[in-house]
Amino acid sequence: NAGVMQNPRHLVRRRGQEARLRCSPMKGHSHVYWYRQLPEEGLKFMVYLQKENIIDESGMPKERFSAEFPKEGPSILRIQQVVRGDSAAYFCASSPGPGGYTFGSGTRLTVV
Amino acid sequence: GEDVEQSLFLSVREGDSSVINCTYTDSSSTYLYWYKQEPGAGLQLLTYIFSNMDMKQDQRLTVLLNKKDKHLSLRIADTQTGDSAIYFCAETYDDYKLSFGAGTTVTVRA
Repeated sequence: NAGVMQNPRHLVRRRGQEARLRCSPMKGHSHVYWYRQLPEEGLKFMVYLQKENIIDESGMPKERFSAEFPKEGPSILRIQQVVRGDSAAYFCASSPGPGGYTFGSGTRLTVV
Repeated sequence: GEDVEQSLFLSVREGDSSVINCTYTDSSSTYLYWYKQEPGAGLQLLTYIFSNMDMKQDQRLTVLLNKKDKHLSLRIADTQTGDSAIYFCAETYDDYKLSFGAGTTVTVRA
């Protein structure tokens, strides 16, 4: 049973471009969470999704950031018009119910 | 989220015990966790403790919880070079969210 799969592992984008981060949850897990880790900080909650539903997006910046978890396929975290301050590690986690996470290895986004 | 505080650095000699300390703020947290992050890697769940417990031991790891002082510690016995990593303390809030500390970088020296 593969763990939580995130890709790409590393992503470099120029300012103004779009970044798309993908997360495939563990088999049997229908709950997905995204967290952001800024340099030398702990992880901060961004969004909690179930299939086709956003349950809690209280940690998402109001602009440029969006997330989805479609019926088929991975969860996507999308950042439009990236800025240098978006450079961070973005971690996805999944669970069979609320809480009880398994984390992926993360996507390290660098905005140049 | 809630505030979780950790010391930033710990240096320990190989074979000694490491103790990493953490304070948290949400007295209603159900679970408290310790995660390990190696360079460039994701977070590995090391252990967790339910809030009605005082202590939990798992092989070389011992977790102590003082609910009155909202203090959590992780002791690693017989620290090895492979234990060098960043260790994060985390507490649950709002049922399913985790609030993390900034992490303690543990360096094991020979």
